[in-house]
Order: sequence, then structure tokens, then C-alpha cells
Amino acid sequence: DAGVTQTPRHEVAEKGQTIILKCEPVSGHNDLFWYRQTKIQGLELLSYFRSKSLMEDGGAFKDRFKAEMLNSSFSTLKIQPTEPKDSAVYLCASRRTGGAREQYFGPGTRLTVL
Amino acid sequence: GQQVQQSPASLVLQEGENAELQCNFSSTATQLQWFYQRPGGSLVSLLYNPSGTKHTGRLTSTTVTKERRSSLHISSSQITDSGTYFCAMEPDSGGSNYKLTFGKGTLLTVTP
Repeated sequence: DAGVTQTPRHEVAEKGQTIILKCEPVSGHNDLFWYRQTKIQGLELLSYFRSKSLMEDGGAFKDRFKAEMLNSSFSTLKIQPTEPKDSAVYLCASRRTGGAREQYFGPGTRLTVL
Repeated sequence: GQQVQQSPASLVLQEGENAELQCNFSSTATQLQWFYQRPGGSLVSLLYNPSGTKHTGRLTSTTVTKERRSSLHISSSQITDSGTYFCAMEPDSGGSNYKLTFGKGTLLTVTP
């Protein structure tokens, strides 16, 4: 089975641009997570979907961040408008809903906002 | 909020030595997972161990749920083991038990 895939791997944006990051979870996984990782803050949860329903909308990240799950095998994270402080690695993870809920992470998208 | 404390923050070993990484958390955990991250790399799941002792290769994790702690033992360390090790737990908090809380990690450096 393929693992979690994310595209693009690297993204460079100008301040104020809109960017869309993409994620495909492991086949059969119903839970999908978006995280942001920075050296200072560490790993922060941005959003969480269970069976395509948004369960966690990121609290402080609601303002310019919007995650969507268009179908069970595809999710997007839109940042609009981007700011330099958004520069980070964005990680997508998925897991089964029941049983052993081990999370599997994708390779991440490294975003640089100039 | 939930807290996960990892120690040590960093560790330097010579190749062949064993490593012991610790993870303490502020509430009872229903899920406990250890991850590895190489610089610039993604998070790789090493062990999923909410309770008891689990082994894989040179890795052994022991989680004592009542004492809210977990450890990761790496035997005969290799240079390729260098990287950051994260502990993450999901609290036993009823309806909202889905959120993994991560520690800040232990940076392991293995030298020749």
C-alpha cells in the first residue's frame, strides 16, 4: 500500500499569495490530520477530519487557513493570504478510525513565504 | 493543556553505545507513539505502544500507563540513528480523544 503522499514537496510564495497544499491519505484510513512544524513551536495541529467531516478547525489557525476533504482520498490545505510567519513544514498524517490508531505521516511540504 | 516532557533534550553517543530516551506526560494516555525524524525529513513511526513493552529491531519501548511515562531504548546505536526522536500521546479525555500531543523531542547524535 502507498503511504501518505503530499505535493508539492517545496513551495515558495510571495507575501499575500494564496497557496494550496495537497495530501492523499493511506488507502482505507478515515482520519486525516494537518500539522505545522517549526523549530520554535514544534508540531501544531491545524485540522482534523474523520470520515471527511471536519472535527478540529485549528483554533488560532482558522483565520487564514482552510482545510478541506473533497473525498476520502484527497485533502487540501489553503493558506490565504500567506505571510512570512507561515514559513514552516506542513505535514499531513492519516490513521484508521478504530483499533490501533497509529498515525502515519507524509513527507511534508516545506513552505517559504518571502 | 496536555503536556509531554521528553528527556534528555539532546544526547551524544559513540557508535555501539545504548540510548535511553524518556517521555513523561501529564494525563493518562490511550495512545502512545514514538517517531523518528531525520533533519529535513518527515516523521517516521517507530513504535506504537500505549502500554507494556514492544520491540522492533534494536528498539524497545516500555510504557507504564499508571505512572504516565514511556521510554525508548536503542541498543548498539549506529551513526544512521542520529536524528530527533519524538514521543506523542493521545490523552484519555472522553469524547475529544483524537489529538496527539507531541513532546519537543530528543536530538540524538551518534559519533564514530
